[in-house]
Amino acid sequence: GDSVTQTEGLVTLTKGLPVMLNCTYQTTYSPFLFWYVQHLNEAPKLLLKSSTDNKRTEHQGFYATLHKSSSSFHLQKSSVQLSDSALYFCAPHDSGYNKLTFGKGTVLLVSP
Amino acid sequence: EAAVTQSPRSKVAVTGGKVTLSCHQTNNHDYMYWYRQDTGHGLRLIHYSYVADSTEKGDIPDGYKASRPSQENFSLILELASLSQTAVYFCASSDVTGGGNYAEQFFGPGTRLTVL
Repeated sequence: GDSVTQTEGLVTLTKGLPVMLNCTYQTTYSPFLFWYVQHLNEAPKLLLKSSTDNKRTEHQGFYATLHKSSSSFHLQKSSVQLSDSALYFCAPHDSGYNKLTFGKGTVLLVSP
Repeated sequence: EAAVTQSPRSKVAVTGGKVTLSCHQTNNHDYMYWYRQDTGHGLRLIHYSYVADSTEKGDIPDGYKASRPSQENFSLILELASLSQTAVYFCASSDVTGGGNYAEQFFGPGTRLTVL
């Protein structure tokens, strides 16, 4: 079956520092890739999406580049803010069945 | 703005009892999904549906049933609730994939289920 591997567990950073959250995937198809963000006690929301190889996509200061050769879609930000503290999920999309496979998620905790 | 609502928002159930979680969407989306969220496991797909009166098994369907009586409504049924089904349950909806469109999923607020 499809699988997603994300940076394990918890990432703690001081405000203003850069961050990279890793995501690699294994699928039997060429997927769209999504990053979802979930703030505490809220529903997951779409943060970024891409299906174009080697093209950087950006939203709300976050960016990611899909690399199909290495099956990776790492999430980055140059300067994290307190409001970025949340749970981040990477998810490849199977367009044939219109389904997402979510990784286990990475918690980003930003301190003052 | 997409709208997916869930009821109840939280529930305490007894082991062996029947639990029904409800989801309603006003997005006019064909696809609806049920996920459970547990610490360390992310979001796992239980059941989904792409048309009324039809449901499909997801990745972890055992112990759960689903019902899609209309395009707007999708229920998750636990016939015999067990301790291991304590989790947060999310419903989501999305449009049909096609023409290179991204099928973003819109999530409801979640239902916190505790089985005692």
